[in-house]
Amino acid sequence: DAGITQSPRHKVTETGTPVTLRCHQTENHRYMYWYRQDPGHGLRLIHYSYGVKDTDKGEVSDGYSVSRSKTEDFLLTLESATSSQTSVYFCAISLGTDLGEQYFGPGTRLTVT
Amino acid sequence: QKEVEQNSGPLSVPEGAIASLNCTYSDRVSQSFFWYRQYSGKSPELIMSIYSNGDKEDGRFTAQLNKASQYVSLLIRDSQPSDSATYLCAVNPNTGRRALTFGSGTRLQVQP
Repeated sequence: DAGITQSPRHKVTETGTPVTLRCHQTENHRYMYWYRQDPGHGLRLIHYSYGVKDTDKGEVSDGYSVSRSKTEDFLLTLESATSSQTSVYFCAISLGTDLGEQYFGPGTRLTVT
Repeated sequence: QKEVEQNSGPLSVPEGAIASLNCTYSDRVSQSFFWYRQYSGKSPELIMSIYSNGDKEDGRFTAQLNKASQYVSLLIRDSQPSDSATYLCAVNPNTGRRALTFGSGTRLQVQP
């Protein structure tokens, strides 16, 4: 157990509202990731972070922003939610030397109506 | 062309058989390769990693890598119903982005 939690676990929101998802880790890992998972698309990287205040875009970053002001927290914000952002969102951390060895949080199911 | 491609399945095998899952990737400079298993409604979990050409065995699982042909496979021997899940192939493309690229996954069904 890599000590990763996500909140909320489920959320229903309306189009146009802002939404923030939180990922929290307890073990001070440097790299953290946000993915979305949709049927037929697998996991797609939204943003990732390689340290406090250090973030970079992934392949599907449009409409999303992130912040990391503390090592343990990585926030994903949908500034103005759209129905196309209905998805399951996973946070992950990597254990350091091999970025491919990633451990995932339990996920957040977001529905935008 | 997708960077990492997998047959979506479902791949159906009888209990006790060998399940063979395949993955191809497009970036020739990729250096490391991973298999994740995801049960329905759960988060992905890492089950195998492979870095060099050839086979790597871990219990009932064998990962195979052929960099010249740009494919990586996962064999599951003595398949059990508990192996029924979606298997995601992931590649570290060795670019400036410090992140994995995932395939869309293959759903495996092991029939009792």
